[in-house]
Amino acid sequence: EDQVTQSPEALRLQEGESSSLNCSYTVSGLRGLFWYRQDPGKGPEFLFTLYSAGEEKEKERLKATLTKKESFLHITAPKPEDSATYLCAVLRFSQGAQKLVFGQGTRLTINP
Amino acid sequence: SQTIHQWPATLVQPVGSPLSLECTVEGTSNPNLYWYRQAAGRGLQLLFYSVGIGQISSEVPQNLSASRPQDRQFILSSKKLLLSDSGFYLCAWTWGSGYTDTQYFGPGTRLTVL
Repeated sequence: EDQVTQSPEALRLQEGESSSLNCSYTVSGLRGLFWYRQDPGKGPEFLFTLYSAGEEKEKERLKATLTKKESFLHITAPKPEDSATYLCAVLRFSQGAQKLVFGQGTRLTINP
Repeated sequence: SQTIHQWPATLVQPVGSPLSLECTVEGTSNPNLYWYRQAAGRGLQLLFYSVGIGQISSEVPQNLSASRPQDRQFILSSKKLLLSDSGFYLCAWTWGSGYTDTQYFGPGTRLTVL
């Protein structure tokens, strides 16, 4: 069964203090790994898709990387507006439809 | 551009009452549609998905049902709500073609069952 585990559950940083969030997965044949950002009371907002080990993608202060067993979301010099819950999910297919299996999320707080 | 709507935004219902949540997508045709539930402090759980009108697949047995009466409309229903049905309900869509398309989420409905 596909499983996604995110760590830490919560992370509190000072503004400008860089760090990384982890997403470990077990899946038979990874077809894609997605990162989303979710603000309180809102739907998840798409950030990145990674398809193969070694792939990297960047967006502003965020960079996502992928290995055969895990993905990292690196946050460089974060600002308070980066505070949110970050979700990762792995992609699988069943009965003609794309399905995402989500981790529990990492709640990130950036203090000014 | 594509837009996804959900209503109502919030809902408080008594145990045993019926439920109907609606999701509509604009700006695309023949999307794949999904219903997720997010319980407090937990990840997103896929409830139902649909690849076309009248085609519904259920991921987990539960007190809920889904219907797709029109191409861009997805409805989540219950005949009698349980306390455990409380949560944040999210609708999502992808284009029907291509197996690596991104899922885009709606704003969600916060359901509280008392």
